[in-house]
Order: sequence, then C-alpha cells, then structure tokens
Amino acid sequence: GNSVTQMEGPVTLSEEAFLTINCTYTATGYPSLFWYVQYPGEGLQLLLKATKADDKGSNKGFEATYRKETTSFHLEKGSVQVSDSAVYFCALSDFGNEKLTFGTGTRLTIIP
Amino acid sequence: KAGVTQTPRYLIKTRGQQVTLSCSPISGHRSVSWYQQTPGQGLQFLFEYFSETQRNKGNFPGRFSGRQFSNSRSEMNVSTLELGDSALYLCASSFEQGGAGNTIYFGEGSWLTVV
Repeated sequence: GNSVTQMEGPVTLSEEAFLTINCTYTATGYPSLFWYVQYPGEGLQLLLKATKADDKGSNKGFEATYRKETTSFHLEKGSVQVSDSAVYFCALSDFGNEKLTFGTGTRLTIIP
Repeated sequence: KAGVTQTPRYLIKTRGQQVTLSCSPISGHRSVSWYQQTPGQGLQFLFEYFSETQRNKGNFPGRFSGRQFSNSRSEMNVSTLELGDSALYLCASSFEQGGAGNTIYFGEGSWLTVV
C-alpha cells in the first residue's frame, strides 16, 4: 500500500533561517504529491502540489520537487518567518483517486 | 466562492451516544471525503463519496458511516461513541476531473469530544 514518511518534529528555527522538511513516499502507482499546512485550530490548507516527476510545486516562498528516483518531495523555504509556524503534512494520492495518504506531520516553530 | 463548510464546529457527546456531522462542499464539487485527525493516529481517511455513491472506504469499524445527497452535501455518522472517537473530523471536497493531482480542499473541521 501507499505510505508517506516525514521527518520527525518538532522543528524550531530562527526567523530568516533556511527550512527543509524531508518527505519520502512509497506508492504502487504513479502518485501526485502534496504539501498541506495546518495553522492552530484550523483545517488543512493546500500549500503546493506536483503531479509528475521533476515537477516543482511552489507557493508563498515554499518549494518542493517531485523526485521519482529518490521517491522524495522535500519542502524548502529560503527564509522563514514567524507566520510560517504551523504543522506541515506531506501527502500523496494515486492517479484518478481522491484519497489522500498523509505523513505524520511536522510541527514548525519560528522564533523571532 | 465559499469554502468547505462543516457543522457543528465543536461538540461534546457521551459514550454510547451517536453523532452526525455535516459538510457542505465548495459549489460545483462532487467528490466529498472525510478524515479523522487524532494526536496518536494522525490523519486517517474515512471514506469518499461521489455522486451519492461511496467510492472509497478506509479501515474504520462499521460504527462510522456516511452519505452524500443529490446536492453533494454530505453527512457522517458515528454510532455508539467511544472515548477513542474524540478527534477532529475533517471534510474535504474536490472537483473530480479524473487524472492526476486534483486539488482537494478541506474545511475547518468538527471537533468531537466524547466523555
């Protein structure tokens, strides 16, 4: 079956630091990959996505590249802000399937 | 355009009772999914409905059920509540187009506490 593995949190960084949150996946087919973000007390918001190998998803300064050879989709941001503090979830869906398989989430805290 | 709307936002139930949660998808979206989020198990898929038919089901006991109406609105029901059912229940919708990477939008969730 499908599975997603994220780096363990929590992660604490200073403002303007470089961020990487690792994500690797196992899938039987050719999945689409997503990063979702959850702010305290809220639901999930789609941050970015990629649907095929070597695609780069980007949004709000965050980027992630679909690496089929390493089955990875690491999230990066060059300079984080306090407002980026949230829980980040890596997820995948199979082709033509609306079901998402999530990683365990990584809690990110940015210190001013 | 309004987002995915879930009601109620917060509720407290007693063990053994049943609960019904409601979800209104984004206008035009025909696929509705439900997820359970707990600190211990994370985000787990419950089921997905499309055009009033259940297309996918996660690994949950039969106490968890759902349905979708002709206007795409969906409800989920949990019967004989257990303490372990305390969770954030998230509804999600998408404009199912087939193919890859349909964007799935989530509501803010319904916080259920079972006492």
